[in-house]
Amino acid sequence: GENVEQHPSTLSVQEGDSAVIKCTYSDSASNYFPWYKQELGKRPQLIIDIRSNVGEKKDQRIAVTLNKTAKHFSLHITETQPEDSAVYFCAAIHTGGFKTIFGAGTRLFVKA
Amino acid sequence: DARVTQTPRDKVTEMGQEVTMRCQPILGHNTVFWYRQTMMQGLELLAYFRNRAPLDDSGMPKDRFSAEMPDATLATLKIQPSEPRDSAVYFCASQLGGRGQFFGPGTRLTVL
Repeated sequence: GENVEQHPSTLSVQEGDSAVIKCTYSDSASNYFPWYKQELGKRPQLIIDIRSNVGEKKDQRIAVTLNKTAKHFSLHITETQPEDSAVYFCAAIHTGGFKTIFGAGTRLFVKA
Repeated sequence: DARVTQTPRDKVTEMGQEVTMRCQPILGHNTVFWYRQTMMQGLELLAYFRNRAPLDDSGMPKDRFSAEMPDATLATLKIQPSEPRDSAVYFCASQLGGRGQFFGPGTRLTVL
């Protein structure tokens, strides 16, 4: 069945460093890839997304890249800050938009 | 600023009792999801609806869980009878077409 693999499961970086989270999807019909940030005790929140007709998208310190051929997409956070500490989920949505397949999540720690 | 709302926010009950959780999706969103999350783990999809019709409830224990959308502004998730292993945070999320999901604040359920 469809699945999304996400790595690493835990990531610890020093404040100011960059963080990269990678995901691989299995369903070639997936065409929309959102990323969610979940702080402790809070709801997951959409932070950035990318469609399959775009290779890269950037929003201030966060960027997402997509390699359709390899079925890989990645989240890049530059100049990390302690408030970036959270669990990040990647996801893939099948054409038609019905079902979202989530990755297992990456717990990011940013040390001050 | 439109948001998904959920009630109750917290529920403590005893094993064997019925629990009903409610969700009001963002007006105009046509897809509604129910997820379960334990101890900041991944998001386990329980069921989802499109245009109020159930599309997939294969993630739910059928003998005790039921999900409905009596109208476009209300989705319900019911557990009867509840068990201690049902203790978790239950999130509702709504989505418009093939875009990102917007999550409610969650219902924290504790079954004693």
